[in-house]
Amino acid sequence: DTEVTQTPKHLVMGMTNKKSLKCEQHMGHRAMYWYKQKAKKPPELMFVYSYEKLSINESVPSRFSPECPNSSLLNLHLHALQPEDSALYLCASSQPTLAGDVADTQYFGPGTRLTVL
Amino acid sequence: AQKVTQAQTEISVVEKEDVTLDCVYETRDTTYYLFWYKQPPSGELVFLIRRNSFDEQNEISGRYSWNFQKSTSSFNFTITASQVVDSAVYFCALSEANYGQNFVFGPGTRLSVLP
Repeated sequence: DTEVTQTPKHLVMGMTNKKSLKCEQHMGHRAMYWYKQKAKKPPELMFVYSYEKLSINESVPSRFSPECPNSSLLNLHLHALQPEDSALYLCASSQPTLAGDVADTQYFGPGTRLTVL
Repeated sequence: AQKVTQAQTEISVVEKEDVTLDCVYETRDTTYYLFWYKQPPSGELVFLIRRNSFDEQNEISGRYSWNFQKSTSSFNFTITASQVVDSAVYFCALSEANYGQNFVFGPGTRLSVLP
């Protein structure tokens, strides 16, 4: 069983809606990630939070807004999305070193399948 | 720049056959980490193995084995006596030590194990 949970499992939204994806991990990790995965493609990194601070933003459009309320929770707020934003959104967590220079194993949640109409 | 190549887009085998999934990587760093993940149809990426660049020992875990060869920049994955439950997309990933949180995934290999 995964220790990274994501809600909802499926989400359908219109282009004018505002919605949020939620992720929670119970492993005491201090780094959390959002990835976007299109069909038949590998995951693409969107954001990384390390010790509750945004450390990586891979030039993601502002209609995606991440939030890390505490070390266990990660949200992705969605607003004015486009149909091409339809994808599987994966959350992951890892335990970083203080130097942040070691590739710690990332553990993934089951994902949220987002459809934008 | 780092890059991961998985030349096999799709593989089909019959149950109980052995199958090897290829992974070739490129990096300028001397310290790096390699990973394999399994993604079944449900969507979750399941961690299988992590290997650092200084550890070239091959590893076996049940029906799974991994062959790491720095000389050819390859980190291949073999499933022995495949089962239908092995059907999934398998991703190889690379992370350089200076960018430890930035994984570069290969394009993935879709494995179908037929009964």
